[in-house]
Amino acid sequence: RKEVEQDPGPFNVPEGATVAFNCTYSNSASQSFFWYRQDCRKEPKLLMSVYSSGNEDGRFTAQLNRASQYISLLIRDSKLSDSATYLCVVNILFTSGTYKYIFGTGTRLKVLA
Amino acid sequence: AAGVIQSPRHLIKEKRETATLKCYPIPRHDTVYWYQQGPGQDPQFLISFYEKMQSDKGSIPDRFSAQQFSDYHSELNMSSLELGDSALYFCATAGRGYGYTFGSGTRLTVV
Repeated sequence: RKEVEQDPGPFNVPEGATVAFNCTYSNSASQSFFWYRQDCRKEPKLLMSVYSSGNEDGRFTAQLNRASQYISLLIRDSKLSDSATYLCVVNILFTSGTYKYIFGTGTRLKVLA
Repeated sequence: AAGVIQSPRHLIKEKRETATLKCYPIPRHDTVYWYQQGPGQDPQFLISFYEKMQSDKGSIPDRFSAQQFSDYHSELNMSSLELGDSALYFCATAGRGYGYTFGSGTRLTVV
């Protein structure tokens, strides 16, 4: 089982729709969580960090459920420009003090006119 | 604000040649990660360094090696290049507790 799992999609949604992605993680030592957006042939860019209390940035809402070990990303009022791959990233902190970031495989979103 | 700098942006090499990719982190970022992303694929983790020591190893071929220098920049050395090594190579750098930042990548084409 992969440490961080996402549904690869694609999710095809009409403009204006609300869409949600989940990402599950298996390591309970996971400390920090992030959503990245990657456009075709470009580098991934940080979309938002995910806080324990949940957080919102405009049309984007991120939630963390530690008990069930998943994070979610909700996009409201989808725009054509939201079409991209959304990568979930989990930061695991080891007792040695080192940490590593693990990617999910990404969820592809296509917003259709 | 300064970002992660990768050089070169594009590189064309012939089979069996060598290539060196460079990554310059954001100031105070002490960790560097290298990824390889083939067409239509998610980034595959190759190797990472923390405080100039290798911290984790992924699917890096034996023909590749990497290191992190005293100024925290990192280099990925690739030898005996194969056609299948053609990909986008990203580095990402991070500081403790913060999401990492990617460089724009180096597009390597092996012909």
